[in-house]
Amino acid sequence: KNEVEQSPQNLTAQEGEFITINCSYSVGISALHWLQQHPGGGIVSLFMLSSGKKKHGRLIATINIQEKHSSLHITASHPRDSAVYICAVLAGNEKLTFGTGTRLTIIP
Amino acid sequence: DVKVTQSSRYLVKRTGEKVFLECVQDMDHENMFWYRQDPGLGLRLIYFSYDVKMKEKGDIPEGYSVSREKKERFSLILESASTNQTSMYLCASSRGLAELTGELFFGEGSRLTVL
Repeated sequence: KNEVEQSPQNLTAQEGEFITINCSYSVGISALHWLQQHPGGGIVSLFMLSSGKKKHGRLIATINIQEKHSSLHITASHPRDSAVYICAVLAGNEKLTFGTGTRLTIIP
Repeated sequence: DVKVTQSSRYLVKRTGEKVFLECVQDMDHENMFWYRQDPGLGLRLIYFSYDVKMKEKGDIPEGYSVSREKKERFSLILESASTNQTSMYLCASSRGLAELTGELFFGEGSRLTVL
């Protein structure tokens, strides 16, 4: 079974700072998802990627297949970015394995 | 605007009660999923469905059943609720084969407390 580790578990930063959240997994995968969960519970899909890099607005996701590692970056962070960010990986025909999330708090 | 709607945001039930959690999606997605989320644990898959009247067990199906009589609706049933089923329940849907092909769309979640 794939193990998914996220770091840090909690992150507090000042508005405007560059944010990096990391995700490592133990076995080869076919795809990796980054999800955002706001207080109250709803989850929004941010990215799905299997190689390289994707960018959407101030969010950038990268993946290194050889190192079994992905990062989510947020540039010019804003208080509305405060949320839990969840990494999930898909290996072969298995179901998604989710990380426990990184709680991000951006202070104005 | 695409949507996955869960019928109840908050429920409080007593031990032994039968509980229905309803999920409806308006995107004509083939795949629907029920997860539970507990502090310190990642989302865990309870059941999923690839088509009407089809269901597959996920990682933690014990104590749960599901129903998918129509493509847009996927129901999670707790036949006899127990306190260890107190949790946040999340429904999701996606197009195509399983979770392989793309974006997952989640509902807002249903927080169930069993007393």
